[in-house]
Amino acid sequence: AQKVTQAQTEISVVEKEDVTLDCVYETRDTTYYLFWYKQPPSGELVFLIRRNSFDEQNEISGRYSWNFQKSTSSFNFTITASQVVDSAVYFCALTEMNAGKSTFGDGTTLTVKP
Amino acid sequence: NAGVTQTPKFRVLKTGQSMTLLCAQDMNHEYMYWYRQDPGMGLRLIHYSVGEGTTAKGEVPDGYNVSRLKKQNFLLGLESAAPSQTSVYFCASSYQVQEGNTQYFGPGTRLTVL
Repeated sequence: AQKVTQAQTEISVVEKEDVTLDCVYETRDTTYYLFWYKQPPSGELVFLIRRNSFDEQNEISGRYSWNFQKSTSSFNFTITASQVVDSAVYFCALTEMNAGKSTFGDGTTLTVKP
Repeated sequence: NAGVTQTPKFRVLKTGQSMTLLCAQDMNHEYMYWYRQDPGMGLRLIHYSVGEGTTAKGEVPDGYNVSRLKKQNFLLGLESAAPSQTSVYFCASSYQVQEGNTQYFGPGTRLTVL
């Protein structure tokens, strides 16, 4: 069975600090996808990034970067120079190939204070 | 494109009443999902569908029924509402193969059962 663990329930930082959100997953499949979604205070859920299990290359998009390491079953998300607008709940998710559904972590609530 | 829409946005029910939540998507996605999100918790899958005319149970299906008579619509029914079903309900849709099950979410329905 697949499982996603986000050990950090809440994180609070001051604006301009860097912050890393941890995600650890379990799966018996060799082919799978990992995701990060963002849920701002307004409540909608927004897709941020998708990685497949064959692509361990780290990705950077502006202030966001993602570190995927199969050896440690982790897919961590770093925000550099955080801003108040980054305050949200962030969810990590895993889909096994052909599973038809995803497993979500419980989310990490990030608060960025001015 | 409207993406994923949900009707209604808010609803208050009395215990024992019934209601149907409607989810519609205009992206021609095969897969559709219903989740509930309780305060401080992640997303829990209620039911999902991998195609028109098919449905399957998620991790918390009790007290809910679903139907997928048309590809673009996925209905969630509560036959006899209970206070424990007070929650925010999210619908999502996805491609499976093409995008590794990247899910696109509706805005949510806030349901209160008194």
